[in-house]
Parts: sequence; structure tokens; C-alpha cells
Amino acid sequence: GAVVSQHPSRVICKSGTSVKIECRSLDFQATTMFWYRQFPKQSLMLMATSNEGSKATYEQGVEKDKFLINHASLTLSTLTVTSAHPEDSSFYICSARRDISPYGYTFGSGTRLTVV
Amino acid sequence: KNEVEQSPQNLTAQEGEFITINCSYSVGISALHWLQQHPGGGIVSLFMLSSGKKKHGRLIATINIQEKHSSLHITASHPRDSAVYICAVRGSTLGRLYFGRGTQLTVWP
Repeated sequence: GAVVSQHPSRVICKSGTSVKIECRSLDFQATTMFWYRQFPKQSLMLMATSNEGSKATYEQGVEKDKFLINHASLTLSTLTVTSAHPEDSSFYICSARRDISPYGYTFGSGTRLTVV
Repeated sequence: KNEVEQSPQNLTAQEGEFITINCSYSVGISALHWLQQHPGGGIVSLFMLSSGKKKHGRLIATINIQEKHSSLHITASHPRDSAVYICAVRGSTLGRLYFGRGTQLTVWP
């Protein structure tokens, strides 16, 4: 149990286009999901906290107009990278917090974004 | 300064060796997590603990709340254990996760 599906796993897009990444909790409801970014050989960096039915909370330095987060249902959160630039190329990973037993965090498999 | 410090950063072992990865943290926590990240990037949660010790197969995780320290042990290591192991703590105030930089473990046959 406690599976989070994230897709696409890899995406290549052209500069200036937008890319949407989906994160779904398959067998539990997740009122809170988190979006992270990871550079090579670095730890995960929290970008934003996504709460179902309300606006996401962004970490300092993360542009909310560039990284649009939508959490319209208890099982789905999306991250849209708008007007992508090569410097947005990175590994993006989501996680969902399980607030009932078994408690904890479940991570998606990540999305490798390459902007050319 | 990172709220979570892990050591070592890189670890190489021969198959069968006993492995220890350490994690120290500086914030108040409600729980500590050990995560495993494979080369493809996917992350698996190995343990969540707030006190004492947990064991799952060849993996053992311990935590000392007073010393703000945790260890992950792998007994009889195997090449398939090769991965990045990440320590993460859930802050007691805001509830967010703070991550260590990870330990790259390579186990040779």
C-alpha cells in the first residue's frame, strides 16, 4: 500500500514551452503533497507544499508563477513548469504525506526534465 | 549550515561487510526517516522512527533523541544494496522534511 505514481518519468521539451508533471496517490488520500527538485549529487530541495483545495506554499526563492502547482483532489497534485528554460532542467520528485496509519511519506519515482 | 548532516558522503564496501551510515541533526524533530534512492532516481522509504531501534531484514535503524543522532546499519551487505541513502527529519514545528546530502554506497562483489 501507500503507492505514489509520478509521470512522466522523463520529458524533453523546447525552451519556452510548458511541461506538466503529475503525482497521484493510488491507494490513499493525500491532503498534503510536496514537490522537490534535485540537482546531480545534491540532496532534495523542497520547492513547495501542496494542500488539497488551497494554494500551494512555496519555499523562498521558488517562483510561484513559473512553477504552478495544483492540488484539486485528494489523490492528484500537478506541477507545471511554465516557459521552461535550460536551467530548469533537473530531477523533480513528489511525495505524499500519509496522515493515517501507516504514517509517513511516500515518494514518486521522479521526473527527469531536460529543456533544450 | 545544513540542518541534517550525514557521514560518510561516499562509502565503498566488499560484499558481506557490515555497513554503518550516520546522521546528525540540529532541529527538533517529530520523526526521522531513512530513504533509499536508486540510480534511476526513485526513492523508497526504509524506516520512520522517533525512538529506539527498528529492524527490517538486514537493515537496522537506531535513533538517540538526546544526542540528535541516528545510524543506519546494513548487515551482510550485497551489491544490490548499492544506492544513495538519505536521512531526513520531520521538523516538530513546521512538519516539513529536512534532508541530508545522502551517502553513496557501493558494494562490490
